[in-house]
Amino acid sequence: NAGVTQTPKFQVLKTGQSMTLQCAQDMNHNSMYWYRQDPGMGLRLIYYSASEGTTDKGEVPNGYNVSRLNKREFSLRLESAAPSQTSVYFCASQSHTDTQYFGPGTRLTVL
Amino acid sequence: GQQVMQIPQYQHVQEGEDFTTYCNSSTTLSNIQWYKQRPGGHPVFLIQLVKSGEVKKQKRLTFQFGEAKKNSSLHITATQTTDVGTYFCAVSGGSNYKLTFGKGTLLTVNP
Repeated sequence: NAGVTQTPKFQVLKTGQSMTLQCAQDMNHNSMYWYRQDPGMGLRLIYYSASEGTTDKGEVPNGYNVSRLNKREFSLRLESAAPSQTSVYFCASQSHTDTQYFGPGTRLTVL
Repeated sequence: GQQVMQIPQYQHVQEGEDFTTYCNSSTTLSNIQWYKQRPGGHPVFLIQLVKSGEVKKQKRLTFQFGEAKKNSSLHITATQTTDVGTYFCAVSGGSNYKLTFGKGTLLTVNP
């Protein structure tokens, strides 16, 4: 099993460009999450999907949209990237015991 | 939502010294989880504590859940360079499927 996979691993954007971060899990988990991690700020929840067909805002949703494409896949879209969105983005899925499994992350720089 | 305070933010030790990080909440927790993130890596689940006063050990790591279920600690005995990384506690929000992460403690070990 691959666990949680994310693409791309690295990305550089110019201000105003758009992009979609992809995430997939093969553990048959219902819940999936997107976090951003900035120095000294810990992990901040952007959006989550408790089950296929539902999505909800987390702590820092502004500037982002998500799509729960199916049970396996949960994508994060930046419509118009800003330098403040420079960060490391992690996708995670959650087991029935509330344990979260993280992907390897996407390191995004917005110039 | 749930809030957790994690201290210290940073800890630098000499190899062989002990290390402890603490997680505190103002409200009673249903459970608490601990994660480790190596530099450049992603958070990895270590353990979950559920019962009041629970103590669990993983080799040199000892995890405790307070009697009142409002605090927890992770203690590493005789640190090694492989222990370097950021340790996060995380608490679940009950039925809302979300985990709230502490800001983490960054441990560095001088060989």
